[in-house]
Amino acid sequence: EPEVTQTPSHQVTQMGQEVILRCVPISNHLYFYWYRQILGQKVEFLVSFYNNEISEKSEIFDDQFSVERPDGSNFTLKIRSTKLEDSAMYFCASRPKRDRGCFGNGTRLTVT
Amino acid sequence: SQQGEEDPQALSIQEGENATMNCSYKTSINNLQWYRQNSGRGLVHLILIRSNEREKHSGRLRVTLDTSKKSSSLLITASRAADTASYFCASDMEYGNKLVFGAGTILRVKS
Repeated sequence: EPEVTQTPSHQVTQMGQEVILRCVPISNHLYFYWYRQILGQKVEFLVSFYNNEISEKSEIFDDQFSVERPDGSNFTLKIRSTKLEDSAMYFCASRPKRDRGCFGNGTRLTVT
Repeated sequence: SQQGEEDPQALSIQEGENATMNCSYKTSINNLQWYRQNSGRGLVHLILIRSNEREKHSGRLRVTLDTSKKSSSLLITASRAADTASYFCASDMEYGNKLVFGAGTILRVKS
């Protein structure tokens, strides 16, 4: 069964550095998402992407965040200048339509 | 606004017992989904129930949906130690295309 893959599985970075989290969604899916989960807390919506543009974003997704789907297969989340509070597990997801979400295994981001 | 709040926050049962988790949401939905997360791992889709359905089964899982009360429940029958995990409901809101997750229920099944 096709999977959503995310790399790296763990990223450690220093405060103020830029990070790029990478995802390969399932190829025939139309909707793409990034979520984050701070340790021990709920899964929070960051952004959805459809038809090559952001369709919705949360208050968390401020100017420090951006997403791209540069080549029709990869889907990236960039954090321009990381803060300590950005430390979390980041999940990428995709789905074909209003159906089940397929989630990757996540990237654990640690900002020191 | 808060969507998909679950209760209980934590549940500890013996192997073989049934586990029931509840979820409430606030706005109209297209469907409601349940996910499982093992510690530190990804989210695994368990079951989806559409807004026009009232009950759905999948193996040992039974999900109900009451749109008049904006609530759903997940029942795991004959639980096993391997069912130990966090369980989240996610509401697929009628307007928009995102899934909004609840706070989750931590289930521990003792053998």
